[in-house]
Amino acid sequence: DGGITQSPKYLFRKEGQNVTLSCEQNLNHDAMYWYRQDPGQGLRLIYYSQIVNDFQKGDIAEGYSVSREKKESFPLTVTSAQKNPTAFYLCASSPLRDSGNTIYFGEGSWLTVV
Amino acid sequence: RKEVEQDPGPFNVPEGATVAFNCTYSNSASQSFFWYRQDCRKEPKLLMSVYSSGNEDGRFTAQLNRASQYISLLIRDSKLSDSATYLCVVNRGGNTPLVFGKGTRLSVIA
Repeated sequence: DGGITQSPKYLFRKEGQNVTLSCEQNLNHDAMYWYRQDPGQGLRLIYYSQIVNDFQKGDIAEGYSVSREKKESFPLTVTSAQKNPTAFYLCASSPLRDSGNTIYFGEGSWLTVV
Repeated sequence: RKEVEQDPGPFNVPEGATVAFNCTYSNSASQSFFWYRQDCRKEPKLLMSVYSSGNEDGRFTAQLNRASQYISLLIRDSKLSDSATYLCVVNRGGNTPLVFGKGTRLSVIA
């Protein structure tokens, strides 16, 4: 089936540790995105990438890093510099040539700092 | 002023009611508009795009008013399964990332 796969779905991290969230898509989409959502809040953009080997900071990039070595993959690393990492993380992709750039989401990853 | 603003609700309505949500956007250059639905602890999913002429999909009707810079979503004959958060989404154009509103929460009550 075509889609966006995020893993792991649930992750617990000790303070001071880096963790990497995986995002893979087989939709042949050009653009990929990472959003963070806190309880009762809207989506905030962390990073996005429109082409392999290039990415841009979103509104809340501090404490996060990404790479885009392959079109299908856009992993997000939550570093120890991120002070409040507990949140719901959503990866998304879109076909840039699509009218209106409709965006599609993975099922999300829940990160809890313990 | 936030770029995309929505009334957070919650809207608590009985089954069968008609409910309308509005959303305003500040960037007059915005080019396309969407409504997404997000169930509790799930990812957002595209509900419908919003076209200038207005569009309908079953019980759902979306309208765009470019002059006043607002978008609306009307749900007729509400079902219990319509309970969710509805996100207003705006594309500024030029392949920039979509901008999401914070969402309006709807609870349909039996």
